[in-house]
Amino acid sequence: AQSVTQPDIHITVSEGASLELRCNYSYGATPYLFWYVQSPGQGLQLLLKYFSGDTLVQGIKGFEAEFKRSQSSFNLRKPSVHWSDAAEYFCAVGASGNKLVFGAGTILRVKS
Amino acid sequence: EAQVTQNPRYLITVTGKKLTVTCSQNMNHEYMSWYRQDPGLGLRQIYYSMNVEVTDKGDVPEGYKVSRKEKRNFPLILESPSPNQTSLYFCASSLSRQNYGYTFGSGTRLTVV
Repeated sequence: AQSVTQPDIHITVSEGASLELRCNYSYGATPYLFWYVQSPGQGLQLLLKYFSGDTLVQGIKGFEAEFKRSQSSFNLRKPSVHWSDAAEYFCAVGASGNKLVFGAGTILRVKS
Repeated sequence: EAQVTQNPRYLITVTGKKLTVTCSQNMNHEYMSWYRQDPGLGLRQIYYSMNVEVTDKGDVPEGYKVSRKEKRNFPLILESPSPNQTSLYFCASSLSRQNYGYTFGSGTRLTVV
């Protein structure tokens, strides 16, 4: 069965510092991978997605993610974090039946 | 504006009192789905619908019902809510079964006492 692991429940970074959020997936075939962000009290917004092709994917708000098949990973990165990036981030894999299987989420705190 | 609208945003109810959470999309999407979000568990799929009159169970369907009589609407029904259904619920839609471009609603926070 498909699964997604986000090893970090909470991460705190200083404003202006770089960010990397980890995501590992389990899926038999070539995965469809996603990163979503959820701001407090809001729904989920798609940051970026990987279906095929270039393994470095650019998304909105200056985020990028790199698909590494050998490590079953799809880590999210941002070179310089802004206070408005504080939110919860979810990695997800597309499973059969158009279902998304989500990780448990990583809460990002940004300190000034 | 293209969107998924859920109502209500917040709901407190008592055990056993039937309730319905509505979900409507204005994008002519075929595929709709309900998820619940719980701390430390992420989002888990409750039910989904691939088109009108076609629904199927997700990973956590117990205690829930759905219907899809019209393409735009996909209500979530709790016939006899219990405290373990206290959660944050999200409705989502996408263009088709093969398209993972989900649009999520803003969520419904349900508390069952």
